[in-house]
Amino acid sequence: ILNVEQSPQSLHVQEGDSTNFTCSFPSSNFYALHWYRWETAKSPEALFVMTLNGDEKKKGRISATLNTKEGYSYLYIKGSQPEDSATYLCASPRAFGNEKLTFGTGTRLTIIP
Amino acid sequence: DTEVTQTPKHLVMGMTNKKSLKCEQHMGHRAMYWYKQKAKKPPELMFVYSYEKLSINESVPSRFSPECPNSSLLNLHLHALQPEDSALYLCASSHSSLRGTRNTEAFFGQGTRLTVV
Repeated sequence: ILNVEQSPQSLHVQEGDSTNFTCSFPSSNFYALHWYRWETAKSPEALFVMTLNGDEKKKGRISATLNTKEGYSYLYIKGSQPEDSATYLCASPRAFGNEKLTFGTGTRLTIIP
Repeated sequence: DTEVTQTPKHLVMGMTNKKSLKCEQHMGHRAMYWYKQKAKKPPELMFVYSYEKLSINESVPSRFSPECPNSSLLNLHLHALQPEDSALYLCASSHSSLRGTRNTEAFFGQGTRLTVV
């Protein structure tokens, strides 16, 4: 993996169902992995910043895991609600620090009421 | 206050115009960024300022000229743009890694939707 990649590109999920999607990133020279939620007409909002292999972070119904050795992170949403509809972006810095974030193309999640 | 404020929200400009995008934050962040986002593509880093000094320029054409007049403000001056420069321009801020802070989240504005005609 040379770039940050996300799959699937889009996802439709029934309200109440749980879902997950993937971010893949270069496992060499890993520094950190960021997840952002971007609702239409709003600002991208940080969900998690993860640095340690095996780390798991949780915020309400949303959680994320990190595998730095194989270069992937999963984002899970439990019991999807209409307000979860957004594009979910992951990003990884290309250098040690905050500044050079490389973003994936995002997973566009639509919750069907 | 965890807001990054960008103005204007929308801008239409001709190829001979000069315009500026503005960004402001009051979180005490000393790193500020400009990103460009085209439809269905990820945001792409353009410039980074750390402690009011330009630290990263990702080979951006000179028709885009950034400026950081103080620790709260970031401008992007636009001149002689091309239609392919039409995009969403996002400003962001974070703690700077220059003084040891690493791996903190970035805070984004809502962006300026720029159309060059």
